[in-house]
Amino acid sequence: QKEVEQNSGPLSVPEGAIASLNCTYSDRGSQSFFWYRQYSGKSPELIMFIYSNGDKEDGRFTAQLNKASQYVSLLIRDSQPSDSATYLCAVLPSGGYNKLIFGAGTRLAVHP
Amino acid sequence: DTAVSQTPKYLVTQMGNDKSIKCEQNLGHDTMYWYKQDSKKFLKIMFSYNNKELIINETVPNRFSPKSPDKAHLNLHINSLELGDSAVYFCASSSMQGLQGAFFGQGTRLTVV
Repeated sequence: QKEVEQNSGPLSVPEGAIASLNCTYSDRGSQSFFWYRQYSGKSPELIMFIYSNGDKEDGRFTAQLNKASQYVSLLIRDSQPSDSATYLCAVLPSGGYNKLIFGAGTRLAVHP
Repeated sequence: DTAVSQTPKYLVTQMGNDKSIKCEQNLGHDTMYWYKQDSKKFLKIMFSYNNKELIINETVPNRFSPKSPDKAHLNLHINSLELGDSAVYFCASSSMQGLQGAFFGQGTRLTVV
């Protein structure tokens, strides 16, 4: 079982819609959870992190964490074509300080 | 600009050669990393240094040798390059042992021919 799993996509949504990206992780004791955005040919860019159960909102982005289900998601409201990128979920595992584990990423395509 | 910067951005070399990639961060972070992103875009940790001390070595071939002269710099030297080493190598840094995420450099695209 992979440590961090994401659907590779592509996830295609129309402009203005809500994009929902999902991630599951295997280590129940994981500490913190991260969403990165990576445009083609560019480096990963940190969008948000969350470490408590529930929702965390930042502008059009909302991260949701459910530790009981070992599930973390990212919602993008009012999706724009400029949001088209690969979204990487990352996890800091238990006892894993200094070791961010990444999922393979979900490619999001927002079409006008 | 405050950032993680790595050089060179592109590196094309022949099999068997030795090459180095340099990384510097001016964010005041105490932890630095090397990640490898393969052709399938999977990002995998190679090494992690905290205050110049090696913390993580993820079963990377010993042809890869990181070096951290101080906590703002982390270099990667690769001996006897192989075709399978072709990938994008990212340097990153973090504070608080990664609890608030890591920040990445622009990457070095290594092509071994």
